[in-house]
Amino acid sequence: DTAVSQTPKYLVTQMGNDKSIKCEQNLGHDTMYWYKQDSKKFLKIMFSYNNKELIINETVPNRFSPKSPDKAHLNLHINSLELGDSAVYFCASSQAAGGTDTQYFGPGTRLTVL
Amino acid sequence: KNEVEQSPQNLTAQEGEFITINCSYSVGISALHWLQQHPGGGIVSLFMLSSGKKKHGRLIATINIQEKHSSLHITASHPRDSAVYICAVRSYAAGNKLTFGGGTRVLVKP
Repeated sequence: DTAVSQTPKYLVTQMGNDKSIKCEQNLGHDTMYWYKQDSKKFLKIMFSYNNKELIINETVPNRFSPKSPDKAHLNLHINSLELGDSAVYFCASSQAAGGTDTQYFGPGTRLTVL
Repeated sequence: KNEVEQSPQNLTAQEGEFITINCSYSVGISALHWLQQHPGGGIVSLFMLSSGKKKHGRLIATINIQEKHSSLHITASHPRDSAVYICAVRSYAAGNKLTFGGGTRVLVKP
């Protein structure tokens, strides 16, 4: 029983394309996150939603647009992909917002932009 | 300089050795997390603590709020402990988000 799942696991695409990554959690958590892990392995928060409402929006290009149709799903859509978008993207969830609760991570989506 | 610094960056140990990973931070925090990233890329939360010490199996995490420092100890290390260990803090200044250290890559040889 996968707690936090992401699809696809690997995504290879050309510059300029638009792509989406989906995330679902079956833990009943109220808060979901998107993180980006760059080639140096640093993790950085991109977005966080609590009960379908955006609560964290870091300095991310507006080509990135999160969408939360319900509190179990947080999808990430990326327009006009650039080479620098190549990274591993992790979805996570927690019961409470604010980093004071254990976060459960998805398996990651490795995005390669050619 | 990052708000969260980990040391060492890389660590190699022989099976059975005691391992210590350090995390120092420069801001006031309300919580500190230790995460483990497996060679395959998956991330698992190990501990979340705001004071004192927590133990789970062979893993022990301690935090000293006054010194702004936390340590993760692995006792009787095993090759399956080989992973990247990441420290993350929730700081009062940063609001509702975690700030991550750069990770410590641990290799335990049989």
